[in-house]
Amino acid sequence: SQKIEQNSEALNIQEGKTATLTCNYTNYSPAYLQWYRQDPGRGPVFLLLIRENEKEKRKERLKVTFDTTLKQSLFHITASQPADSATYLCALREGQGFSFIFGKGTRLLVKP
Amino acid sequence: DSGVTQTPKHLITATGQRVTLRCSPRSGDLSVYWYQQSLDQGLQFLIQYYNGEERAKGNILERFSAQQFPDLHSELNLSSLELGDSALYFCASSVGVATNEKLFFGSGTQLSVL
Repeated sequence: SQKIEQNSEALNIQEGKTATLTCNYTNYSPAYLQWYRQDPGRGPVFLLLIRENEKEKRKERLKVTFDTTLKQSLFHITASQPADSATYLCALREGQGFSFIFGKGTRLLVKP
Repeated sequence: DSGVTQTPKHLITATGQRVTLRCSPRSGDLSVYWYQQSLDQGLQFLIQYYNGEERAKGNILERFSAQQFPDLHSELNLSSLELGDSALYFCASSVGVATNEKLFFGSGTQLSVL
């Protein structure tokens, strides 16, 4: 069956360090993969989109990689800050007419 | 503010009842998506509408139904409610149906079935 897996354990890091979150998927061949941020009790907010032919995408302190051979995306936050503490979700849709699927997310806690 | 409006914010009801959740998409967006989020299941895709027509269907129960109206707002109807239906229900919108559409989410409706 089709699945998206993210590390369910919370990631605790020290302020200033780089946080790396992992998203693995099986039985999909997405052309795009997206990352969202969700704060408690609020709706997810779009952060970044990466295409299958892009190896890496950057936006300010955020970096996303996409390895279609490994079926994996990595999400990096450099120089992390306590304000980055949230749950980060990866999402994909294989094509039009298909479900837009989210992983369960990884909770990030940045300690001052 | 994402521009997506969901009402009501909170809903408390009893088992066996029927409720309607409402969503107004961002101005100009033609697609509306519904998701259910519970602590152990994460965000579960329910259904997508585009310009009034059903476009994609996920794990939506037969007790649940949705529609998108000519003014593009959408409603999610949940009937014969069970305790397990208690969850946060999100609506999201996007411009169209392209595979690379990014979604804009509302703040959700917290449904509690007692």
